Amino acid sequence: KNEVEQSPQNLTAQEGEFITINCSYSVGISALHWLQQHPGGGIVSLFMLSSGKKKHGRLIATINIQEKHSSLHITASHPRDSAVYICAVNTGGGADGLTFGKGTHLIIQP
Amino acid sequence: GAVVSQHPSWVICKSGTSVKIECRSLDFQATTMFWYRQFPKQSLMLMATSNEGSKATYEQGVEKDKFLINHASLTLSTLTVTSAHPEDSSFYICSANPGLANTDTQYFGPGTRLTVL
Repeated sequence: KNEVEQSPQNLTAQEGEFITINCSYSVGISALHWLQQHPGGGIVSLFMLSSGKKKHGRLIATINIQEKHSSLHITASHPRDSAVYICAVNTGGGADGLTFGKGTHLIIQP
Repeated sequence: GAVVSQHPSWVICKSGTSVKIECRSLDFQATTMFWYRQFPKQSLMLMATSNEGSKATYEQGVEKDKFLINHASLTLSTLTVTSAHPEDSSFYICSANPGLANTDTQYFGPGTRLTVL
């Protein structure tokens, strides 16, 4: 079973700061997902990675397969980025469900 | 983009009743759908994998007779919580895999918050 660890669990920062959230996993994967969950519970898929780096707007996600580690970066953070960010992995491909980290609760203060 | 809907978005029921939650892929066919639940302040946990036309695969510790899953078509999976009890109160969320070349993609529904009194 894959163990997914995220850090930090909680993060409070000032608007404009550069944010980094880390994720490590224990077993080889077919893909890693970064998800955003807002207080109402709904989940938005931010990235799906199997190698390298992806960028979307102010969000950047990287993955190092050899080190079993991924990072999510937010540049020029804004209060609307406040949410829980969750790392999740596919271990067995599309036919398998995801294994989730516990999430990072991010608060961006104006 | 791909859209997955869930109905209802929230439900309150009395202990002992059954509750059905629907998960629909609106603009694509989903060969596989997944059901997750999230207890307060905890991480999401996979409950079961639902494949169209076959029996669902349940994760260890999830009672298949209590959480009935039906995936009768490529766009609809249902989760029925039978004889619900307060400990079943949770946030239930489904996701759907389109089964295309990018097979790891999952699209999430908005979730259903179940409160059992």
